[in-house]
Amino acid sequence: GAGVSQSPSNKVTEKGKDVELRCDPISGHTALYWYRQSLGQGLEFLIYFQGNSAPDKSGLPSDRFSAERTGGSVSTLTIQRTQQEDSAVYLCASSNPQGAPGNTIYFGEGSWLTVV
Amino acid sequence: GNSVTQMEGPVTLSEEAFLTINCTYTATGYPSLFWYVQYPGEGLQLLLKATKADDKGSNKGFEATYRKETTSFHLEKGSVQVSDSAVYFCALKESGSSNTGKLIFGQGTTLQVKP
Repeated sequence: GAGVSQSPSNKVTEKGKDVELRCDPISGHTALYWYRQSLGQGLEFLIYFQGNSAPDKSGLPSDRFSAERTGGSVSTLTIQRTQQEDSAVYLCASSNPQGAPGNTIYFGEGSWLTVV
Repeated sequence: GNSVTQMEGPVTLSEEAFLTINCTYTATGYPSLFWYVQYPGEGLQLLLKATKADDKGSNKGFEATYRKETTSFHLEKGSVQVSDSAVYFCALKESGSSNTGKLIFGQGTTLQVKP
C-alpha cells in the first residue's frame, strides 16, 4: 500500500476486555515496529520484527501484551484483560531493508485506545 | 543500553527566532540518527536524518549535524514560524551485530512558536 495502515483508528473498550490492533506495513518492508505513546509522553518501544528473525520483545510491558506477524507482512498487537493504564496511541512503523543504515522508518497514523 | 536524551520542553519562541533543540545519545556501534516531527493531530513524520559522523541532515530549513565526538545531534533552525509548532523527537537506529536495529526515541520536545 501507499503507507503504513493501522486499524482501528479509534477503539473504546471496557476494562478487562481483550483488544486486537492491526498493522499493515508498506509492501515489501521487512522490518515492523510497535510503539506506544501515552498522553503527554514520549514513544515507548514495544516490539520489533525483522524478517524471519526472532522478534525483539524487550519493550512489552507485561505478559498481557503480545504481537505476531503472519507471513512477514501484517502484524497484530493483542492486549489481554485491558487496564485503564493501557489507554494510549499505539503506533506501527515499517522500513526496508533493515540492514542498510539510515533507511527511513515510516509510521502509521496510530490506533487510539481508550479503556473505560 | 542505547538511549537518547532530549532537552525538556516546552520551548516557547517568537516567530523568526533561532531554534536549538539539544539531543545527545548513548550507543554502541554506529547508529543512524533521526529527527521526527509530530504536528498537532497528525502522525509522526521524518524530518531529517544522518547516517554517519559529520553528516548533516537538512529539511524545511531545519538542520542537524551528527557529532560523534560529542555524541550529539542537535536540531537547529534559523528562523522559526508559527507552523513549526509541534513535538520534535530525536531518535537513533541501532546498528552492528550486537543490536537488533530497532529505533529508540527521546522523550520529545514541544515547540510553541508565537506570532
